[in-house]
Amino acid sequence: DTEVTQTPKHLVMGMTNKKSLKCEQHMGHRAMYWYKQKAKKPPELMFVYSYEKLSINESVPSRFSPECPNSSLLNLHLHALQPEDSALYLCASSQDRGGQARDTQYFGPGTRLTVL
Amino acid sequence: GESVGLHLPTLSVQEGDNSIINCAYSNSASDYFIWYKQESGKGPQFIIDIRSNMDKRQGQRVTVLLNKTVKHLSLQIAATQPGDSAVYFCAEGGTSYGKLTFGQGTILTVHP
Repeated sequence: DTEVTQTPKHLVMGMTNKKSLKCEQHMGHRAMYWYKQKAKKPPELMFVYSYEKLSINESVPSRFSPECPNSSLLNLHLHALQPEDSALYLCASSQDRGGQARDTQYFGPGTRLTVL
Repeated sequence: GESVGLHLPTLSVQEGDNSIINCAYSNSASDYFIWYKQESGKGPQFIIDIRSNMDKRQGQRVTVLLNKTVKHLSLQIAATQPGDSAVYFCAEGGTSYGKLTFGQGTILTVHP
C-alpha cells in the first residue's frame, strides 16, 4: 500500500480563521513532508519531519505551523493566512534509511486551500 | 541557483505513439532522479526513479535514461494512451536530506 491520505480535500477560510490540514500514512515511513503547489508550478518544499522531529523548515512564515503527533500523522496548522497562500498543499512520505536522501517520496492527493 | 528544467513545456501525441519527455539538470552532485506524473486535481504520482550509477532503467511501458555527461534525463513512454495525459515532473535529489528539486513540468496530451 503506497497511499498517503489527506483531509480535507478542499478548504475555504477567511484571513482570521484557524484551520488544520491533516495527513496520514501507514507505510511505516519515518520521513514526512509538506509541500505547497501553485497552479501550473512544481511543488515547493515547506517542511520535512524525520522520526517525528522537524528537520527542515524552508523559511516558511510562522502563520504555517507543522506538527507531527506520531509516525503516521502530520498536521499543518493555519492561522492568519493571506489570499496569496491559496494553493494545493501536498503531503508526502518516504522511508528514512539511516538518513538517506534518496528515498522515494510518495504524495497524497493534496488539500485545495482558498483564502478569502 | 541550482535548477532542473525541461526543454519542452508541452507535448501532444497520438494514441499509440511513443512519447519522450526531456529534462535538464544543473547540479552535478545530484545522484537520484525521479519522474512523477500529476493528473488534474491529484497529487504527483511516482512513475520511476534512477540512481546516478545507472544510465537506463525500465518499468512497465516507461524507460528513464540518464546522461550524466550532459546532465540530461528523459522519460520514454511506449504506446502512449489517453490515460497518460498529465503533467510530468522530473525531480533530482540526493544532495540534501529530504530535498527534491523539481523541474517546471511538461504537459503531455494524448489524442485518441
